[in-house]
Amino acid sequence: DAGVTQSPTHLIKTRGQQVTLRCSPKSGHDTVSWYQQALGQGPQFIFQYYEEEERQRGNFPDRFSGHQFPNYSSELNVNALLLGDSALYLCASSPRVGEVGTDTQYFGPGTRLTVL
Amino acid sequence: GESVGLHLPTLSVQEGDNSIINCAYSNSASDYFIWYKQESGKGPQFIIDIRSNMDKRQGQRVTVLLNKTVKHLSLQIAATQPGDSAVYFCAENIQNTDKLIFGTGTRLQVFP
Repeated sequence: DAGVTQSPTHLIKTRGQQVTLRCSPKSGHDTVSWYQQALGQGPQFIFQYYEEEERQRGNFPDRFSGHQFPNYSSELNVNALLLGDSALYLCASSPRVGEVGTDTQYFGPGTRLTVL
Repeated sequence: GESVGLHLPTLSVQEGDNSIINCAYSNSASDYFIWYKQESGKGPQFIIDIRSNMDKRQGQRVTVLLNKTVKHLSLQIAATQPGDSAVYFCAENIQNTDKLIFGTGTRLQVFP
């Protein structure tokens, strides 16, 4: 049973560019959350997707957007990249609503984004 | 891999000793708490969780204690092993929200 997977592992972009990161949730999970983790800090919540809609959003600008597909996989898009967007981007998935442990989030390995 | 936390509080323990990692959470409306372990270059790994209607929960070699009065959470690791070396984060979930709020993290170093 595969856990949460993310691609790519590493990515280097330049300021002003756009990036798309991908996440496949753990089998049996239908909710996907995205987090940004700057070096030396804890993860910061970006947003969560359920039933292909953004359910909740953290304190991130509109440059950060996402999408969830019918198979529950998700993408995180960041436009007009800034140097400060350099971070580890983590995806977490949760079991289906109504099931035991529905609010427990399991993380993938992350995508390391470097903006030059 | 890159370092997860460069200037985090650090707890150094000898192999075989017990470790206690502490966390102060911020919101009295939080009703669910999770401890995660993060090794260098990896994503956070679920260790143990506890809900606000409990004050203690035990797993394999780990115990989480919750003190709602002072908004304090602790993780106890019995017989600490070299493989326990990592950064540990506590995370809180505010009731009726879907996001986890993470603490700053503590680096655990285990020496022989």
